[in-house]
Amino acid sequence: KAGVTQTPRYLIKTRGQQVTLSCSPISGHRSVSWYQQTPGQGLQFLFEYFSETQRNKGNFPGRFSGRQFSNSRSEMNVSTLELGDSALYLCATSDSPSGNEQFFGPGTRLTVL
Amino acid sequence: AQKITQTQPGMFVQEKEAVTLDCTYDTSDQSYGLFWYKQPSSGEMIFLIYQGSYDEQNATEGRYSLNFQKARKSANLVISASQLGDSAMYFCAMRERDTGFQKLVFGTGTRLLVSP
Repeated sequence: KAGVTQTPRYLIKTRGQQVTLSCSPISGHRSVSWYQQTPGQGLQFLFEYFSETQRNKGNFPGRFSGRQFSNSRSEMNVSTLELGDSALYLCATSDSPSGNEQFFGPGTRLTVL
Repeated sequence: AQKITQTQPGMFVQEKEAVTLDCTYDTSDQSYGLFWYKQPSSGEMIFLIYQGSYDEQNATEGRYSLNFQKARKSANLVISASQLGDSAMYFCAMRERDTGFQKLVFGTGTRLLVSP
């Protein structure tokens, strides 16, 4: 069974640009969550999606948005990039909102110059 | 608010020895789940073990066991017979409610170094 796929793996952008990151879950997994990991703030929850609906959102500005498609793939978008958005963005998938195992992807490392 | 505390920034252990990584948590929820993840230098988070707040037995998964002490709000990870490949960051995490939402609150992590 293929694992969680995240694309791209690495991204370099400049301030003010926008970026879209993609997460393809394990086959059969319909719950997708996104996390931001930085050296200063650690791992922080961004959003959670299930059946194309955002079920939960972390404490991030409106520049951070996401969506989930009917095939459970999810994208997150960051507009008007700031230097502080440089981070490792991880997505995690589960078979259901109550599943006890969340499987993480390899992450997308975003650098904002 | 839920909070996870990992007080050990770094731990050193020799190969084949056992090591305990500490984790304490704070929550007002009665129903919650506790998780441990391993993050090698590659960045991917690897699920290790899960403990539900109502589970009476401590969770075990191969060489990993979770020492769950509910009254003390601690969920320490025990790795038996350490291997060189165990060198990584280890994160303790809590799910705010045991069912319904997948949001995890993470601790700051412990870096484990296993020496030959």
